[in-house]
Amino acid sequence: AQSVTQPDIHITVSEGASLELRCNYSYGATPYLFWYVQSPGQGLQLLLKYFSGDTLVQGIKGFEAEFKRSQSSFNLRKPSVHWSDAAEYFCAVLPNFGNEKLTFGTGTRLTIIP
Amino acid sequence: EAQVTQNPRYLITVTGKKLTVTCSQNMNHEYMSWYRQDPGLGLRQIYYSMNVEVTDKGDVPEGYKVSRKEKRNFPLILESPSPNQTSLYFCASSLGPGFSGGNEQFFGPGTRLTVL
Repeated sequence: AQSVTQPDIHITVSEGASLELRCNYSYGATPYLFWYVQSPGQGLQLLLKYFSGDTLVQGIKGFEAEFKRSQSSFNLRKPSVHWSDAAEYFCAVLPNFGNEKLTFGTGTRLTIIP
Repeated sequence: EAQVTQNPRYLITVTGKKLTVTCSQNMNHEYMSWYRQDPGLGLRQIYYSMNVEVTDKGDVPEGYKVSRKEKRNFPLILESPSPNQTSLYFCASSLGPGFSGGNEQFFGPGTRLTVL
């Protein structure tokens, strides 16, 4: 079965600084990969997704992620964070066949300090 | 507006009192799913449905039931709620099966359930 690891439970970053959130997955083949963001009291919003092709994918709100097959990683990055980026971020994987079962990581909570 | 709606958004109940959380989507999606979110555990799938009258268990189905009589609705039923079902619940929907391209799942706003 697939699994997702987000090793950082909580990250604090200064506004304007760069950000990298880590995600590692375990799966027999290359799955579909997603990053979702959950703002306080809100549902989940898709930031970006990787299916195939270019390993650097661009998403909404200035986020990007890079798929590295050799490291089974799909890290999320942003060059300069804004206070509104404070939220919880979830990495998720989906098998590339069969059911639609998303497997989520445990999430990384991002705090932005002035 | 394309959306997934859930009702109620907040619910406090007592042990053993049957309840239903409704979920509806207006995007004609085939696939629907229920997740629960608990601190430190992320989101875990409870049940999913590939289409009308087709449902299957996810990772944590114990204590829950679902039905899919219509394409747009996918209610979550707790026949006899217990305190360990206190959680934040999310309904999600997407176009279809993974082999069609790993379609984005759209999430509802969540239902915060407390079982006393």
